[in-house]
Amino acid sequence: NAGVMQNPRHLVRRRGQEARLRCSPMKGHSHVYWYRQLPEEGLKFMVYLQKENIIDESGMPKERFSAEFPKEGPSILRIQQVVRGDSAAYFCASSSDSRAGELFFGEGSRLTVL
Amino acid sequence: GENVEQHPSTLSVQEGDSAVIKCTYSDSASNYFPWYKQELGKRPQLIIDIRSNVGEKKDQRIAVTLNKTAKHFSLHITETQPEDSAVYFCAASEGNTPLVFGKGTRLSVIA
Repeated sequence: NAGVMQNPRHLVRRRGQEARLRCSPMKGHSHVYWYRQLPEEGLKFMVYLQKENIIDESGMPKERFSAEFPKEGPSILRIQQVVRGDSAAYFCASSSDSRAGELFFGEGSRLTVL
Repeated sequence: GENVEQHPSTLSVQEGDSAVIKCTYSDSASNYFPWYKQELGKRPQLIIDIRSNVGEKKDQRIAVTLNKTAKHFSLHITETQPEDSAVYFCAASEGNTPLVFGKGTRLSVIA
């Protein structure tokens, strides 16, 4: 059973470009969460999604950031017009219906903005 | 919303000694308390968790205790080994809400 898959693992963008990060949850999991981790810091919640629905986006900046989890395909975190402060590791996690809240993390996508 | 405080931020122990990391939380509705281990450049991995209907849980060298009245929970690692060196995060949630994490404890086990 494959774990949570994230790609790309590393992404370099110049200021003003767009970044798209993808996450495929574990098989059988329908809950997806995105967290951001700055160097030497903890994990900050960004957004919680189920298929085709955003459940909680209270941790996501109102501008430039968006997330989706379509009926088919992976969840996508999109960052428009990136700035240097967006440089971080972005982790996706998933959980099942029966054990919602018990999160399994992917290996993360490390975004560097030049 | 929930707020989780974790301490110490760094901890050094001699190999074979015990390590204790403590967390407090603010939301009395929280009922799920996992601990994650993150090695450098790797993903956070769930190592143990506890739910509010129990006070203590043990898995080999690691154990977690929960005091719901005081709203704090702790991770205990006995007989530490160099491979236990990592950053450890506590977290809390109501079970069906996103986990709120502490800021982490960097544990160094000195051989």
